[in-house]
Amino acid sequence: DQQVKQNSPSLSVQEGRISILNCDYTNSMFDYFLWYKKYPAEGPTFLISISSIKDKNEDGRFTVFLNKSAKHLSLHIVPSQPGDSAVYFCAAINNAGNMLTFGGGTRLMVKP
Amino acid sequence: KAGVTQTPRYLIKTRGQQVTLSCSPISGHRSVSWYQQTPGQGLQFLFEYFSETQRNKGNFPGRFSGRQFSNSRSEMNVSTLELGDSALYLCASSFEDAIGEAFFGQGTRLTVV
Repeated sequence: DQQVKQNSPSLSVQEGRISILNCDYTNSMFDYFLWYKKYPAEGPTFLISISSIKDKNEDGRFTVFLNKSAKHLSLHIVPSQPGDSAVYFCAAINNAGNMLTFGGGTRLMVKP
Repeated sequence: KAGVTQTPRYLIKTRGQQVTLSCSPISGHRSVSWYQQTPGQGLQFLFEYFSETQRNKGNFPGRFSGRQFSNSRSEMNVSTLELGDSALYLCASSFEDAIGEAFFGQGTRLTVV
């Protein structure tokens, strides 16, 4: 049973436009959410996070939105750059344990 | 500040053998977690160690085990290897009380033939 789902395996966006990556979760005990970016042959790199007490967190070109009632979060990248092309994973954690539950990932391709 | 270091980077083993992977966390980090990444199952949590104690364990068979040393370095062991154990094994370290923000190593690519 996948507790964190990323329903879009891939996304293609033109350089300069907005990239929106989506993530849904089912476990109500999750109270902290993160986005990681992964290049081939490298480990995931932390990008941005959000606590369940917030509905938005912004860091430069990256903004994460959390809709608790819908159990949905999204990552917005504006403007998208070719260097953003990578696989993006959303992850969730509950306060009961120090483990990350990952979604399946979305491959973002930003075309010049 | 050095990042998370995993050794070896690549490994080829035969079915039935055992393997030990090593992870050196970022200096000062006391929590070390292990994850398995496969094309079919994505990133799955194996276990987490803190102060030489396993605090959390994922849903993997007993063939997968780990340990942490007093210097926070960690090893994971897989015994009686199966073809399905072929995967990228990732280690992540984090501060004691930091929720979530884990720093990952580059991983060990294990191929079982």
